[in-house]
Formats: sequence, C-alpha cells, structure tokens
Amino acid sequence: DTEVTQTPKHLVMGMTNKKSLKCEQHMGHRAMYWYKQKAKKPPELMFVYSYEKLSINESVPSRFSPECPNSSLLNLHLHALQPEDSALYLCASSPGTSGYEQYFGPGTRLTVT
Amino acid sequence: KQEVTQIPAALSVPEGENLVLNCSFTDSAIYNLQWFRQDPGKGLTSLLLIQSSQREQTSGRLNASLDKSSGRSTLYIAASQPGDSATYLCAVLNYGQNFVFGPGTRLSVLP
Repeated sequence: DTEVTQTPKHLVMGMTNKKSLKCEQHMGHRAMYWYKQKAKKPPELMFVYSYEKLSINESVPSRFSPECPNSSLLNLHLHALQPEDSALYLCASSPGTSGYEQYFGPGTRLTVT
Repeated sequence: KQEVTQIPAALSVPEGENLVLNCSFTDSAIYNLQWFRQDPGKGLTSLLLIQSSQREQTSGRLNASLDKSSGRSTLYIAASQPGDSATYLCAVLNYGQNFVFGPGTRLSVLP
C-alpha cells in the first residue's frame, strides 16, 4: 500500500469557523509533511513531523495548528483563517527525513469565505 | 539558499514526440532530486527519484538524468501521449534541509 489519504477532499469555511484536515498513511513511514499550494505555484512546506515530533515549522501563522496523534495520522487544525489561506493543502509522507522519496496525498481544496 | 528553476514554463507538442524537460538548481550539494507529475487540482504523483550518487533513473517511457556538477536534471519523455498532459515538478533535497520545488513545466500533448 503506497497510498496517502486525505479528508475531506473539499472544504468551505467561514473566517470564524474551526475545522480540521486529516491525513493518513499505512506505509510505516516515520516522517509526515503538510504543504500549502496556491494556484499555478509549487507546494510550500508548512510543517514536518519526524517520529511524531514536530521538527520543522516554517514560520506558519498560529491559526494553523498541526497535530500528529500517532505515526500514521497527521491533522491540521484550522481556526480564524483568512481568505488568502484558500489553497490546496497537501500531505506527504516518507520513510524518514533524510534523502527518502516523498509520497503525496490527493490534497484538500480549502476555500475560506 | 537553494533555488530551483524549470524550463520551459509551458510546452505544447503533438502526440508521439519525444521531449525533454529541464530542471536547474543553484546548490549542487544535494541529497537527491525527485520528479513529480501533477494533474490540475490533484496531488503530486512521484515519477522518479535520483540519489546524488546516481546519474540517471528510468521508468517505462521516462528517463531522468542528473548532473550535479552543472546543477541540472532533465526528464526525458519518449513517445508522448495525450495522457502525459500535466504539470511536471522537480524537487531538490539538500543535506539538512527540506525539499525545494521548482515552479513546474505545464505540458500539453495534442492528439
């Protein structure tokens, strides 16, 4: 199984809502990532979890809060987002953080109204 | 800081042509380089991963080469098909850092 799953596929939320994005992999990977991708732009790294510990936080606003409950799951909690946060949010995993192939999920299309 | 560029930004070819996509990077001390394909509004599909010690990797009609000294990688697609239409991204991993993506090449293969 080389699949990374993400739910929901689409999400529309108001600026005062609280919602969560979920990501799951069953490949035994120990590193998981959140990326943000705007239209016609490459993905930008937001967070890296290595062995369930947050190892990279690329100066992302606190309205985005990651959580890694176990080695297979990665959540991204959203609160008080802005319209400019509308984007495709991609989750990825890899066996480790040093030189391994990354596997991406299908993404969640987020629209903030 | 690593910077990755891709040329051309967009490419349109008739079906059956062989084509080359280019990826350039400024810091040659890379760990590996990965080529991805992305369909509109979808996630990234890994195509090929080249480790820094390798010169090329092949998968089906795809061949990726790596020249670290010149900071370049090419993705060669043989006998292109309309189903190959997508955006192709290269991503470079440096030691102690995270993947840096290029801006992508949008490929259209016309029937």
